[in-house]
Amino acid sequence: DAGVTQTPRHEVAEKGQTIILKCEPVSGHNDLFWYRQTKIQGLELLSYFRSKSLMEDGGAFKDRFKAEMLNSSFSTLKIQPTEPKDSAVYLCASSPGGANTGQLYFGEGSKLTVL
Amino acid sequence: GEKVEQHQSTLSVREGDSAVINCTYTDTASSYFPWYKQEAGKSLHFVIDIRSNVDRKQSQRLTVLLDKKAKRFSLHITATQPEDSAIYFCAAEGTGYQNFYFGKGTSLTVIP
Repeated sequence: DAGVTQTPRHEVAEKGQTIILKCEPVSGHNDLFWYRQTKIQGLELLSYFRSKSLMEDGGAFKDRFKAEMLNSSFSTLKIQPTEPKDSAVYLCASSPGGANTGQLYFGEGSKLTVL
Repeated sequence: GEKVEQHQSTLSVREGDSAVINCTYTDTASSYFPWYKQEAGKSLHFVIDIRSNVDRKQSQRLTVLLDKKAKRFSLHITATQPEDSAIYFCAAEGTGYQNFYFGKGTSLTVIP
């Protein structure tokens, strides 16, 4: 089975641009997460979907970050407009979901650099 | 909400020695505690987990201990090898939805 696929792997944007990151979860998984990883803050939750419904929107990330799950096999994270402080690795993860929590399967990440 | 603290940012051990990474959490209702490993330039991958109905779980050279009273859990790696060198993240499942709170990671270096 294919794992979590994220594209692009690297993105360079000018301040103020709009960027869209993409994620394909593991087939059959019901839960999908977007995290931002930086050395200082560690992993921060941006969004969490269960069966395509948005369950958590990451609070502080609401204003310029928008995640969508258009179907069960595809999600996007839009950052608009980008700022230099958004430079980070954006990780998508999925899990089977269901009654018992299980491990997360992470993608390789999209490294964003905002100039 | 839940807060997970990982107390060592770095840890160095000699090959063959044991390594212990400690984490604490705040939410007494948390019931699931996974550990992830991140090798240089790569993403996170799951290594072991423990649920709150047990206090110990072992998988080959990895053991996780959970002390619910102290709200503390730890990862023990025995007979360390150079390929164990990586950043290890502990996590706890928060209450409500299946949301995981991560520690900031411990960079483990195994010296040959």
